[in-house]
Amino acid sequence: GAVVSQHPSWVICKSGTSVKIECRSLDFQATTMFWYRQFPKQSLMLMATSNEGSKATYEQGVEKDKFLINHASLTLSTLTVTSAHPEDSSFYICSARLDGDTQYFGPGTRLTVL
Amino acid sequence: GDSVTQMEGPVTLSEEAFLTINCTYTATGYPSLFWYVQYPGEGLQLLLKATKADDKGSNKGFEATYRKETTSFHLEKGSVQVSDSAVYFCALRVNTGGFKTIFGAGTRLFVKA
Repeated sequence: GAVVSQHPSWVICKSGTSVKIECRSLDFQATTMFWYRQFPKQSLMLMATSNEGSKATYEQGVEKDKFLINHASLTLSTLTVTSAHPEDSSFYICSARLDGDTQYFGPGTRLTVL
Repeated sequence: GDSVTQMEGPVTLSEEAFLTINCTYTATGYPSLFWYVQYPGEGLQLLLKATKADDKGSNKGFEATYRKETTSFHLEKGSVQVSDSAVYFCALRVNTGGFKTIFGAGTRLFVKA
């Protein structure tokens, strides 16, 4: 089946620094990718929808200047957490839409901000 | 707004036991319903889906029936295996032209040998 990878799988950074997370569709092209955030023992919350070659669409309450999303190619989307703070610590998950109802999920990236 | 509520875990069962994980939803319009499974260290995978009322989704021995009258989509399996140990997420997508998927909180299942 289709595979989506994320890099890094975990990252620890100091408060105030920026962190970039990559999401790649390895064996298919994805015109649409999604970024989710998952808090412990809670569901995935959609942060933004990323369309190749256009600006991302952010969900209500998500700061677009803090969570920068770039979808430069059909196989790569990046999420940059700018000026990270401890409250940004979370599990970030991406998914890529292949067609219809089908989306494939990456394994997630755990971000810890000290 | 649209939401999904599923039973809290963890659920611990012995091998070959019957499994039910309850899921109810609130949605405007006519949503498609999904169950996703997340095995340790892996991404979410689609387990099964149903797109209209009374549809039954099934895969790997798991089943769920779209019940519009009770707004439910309970996951069942007649005989669980140790390899079924994972986190299960119920989800919905409202077919309004967008592709926003709303997830439940997830239910962790432990199956003992």
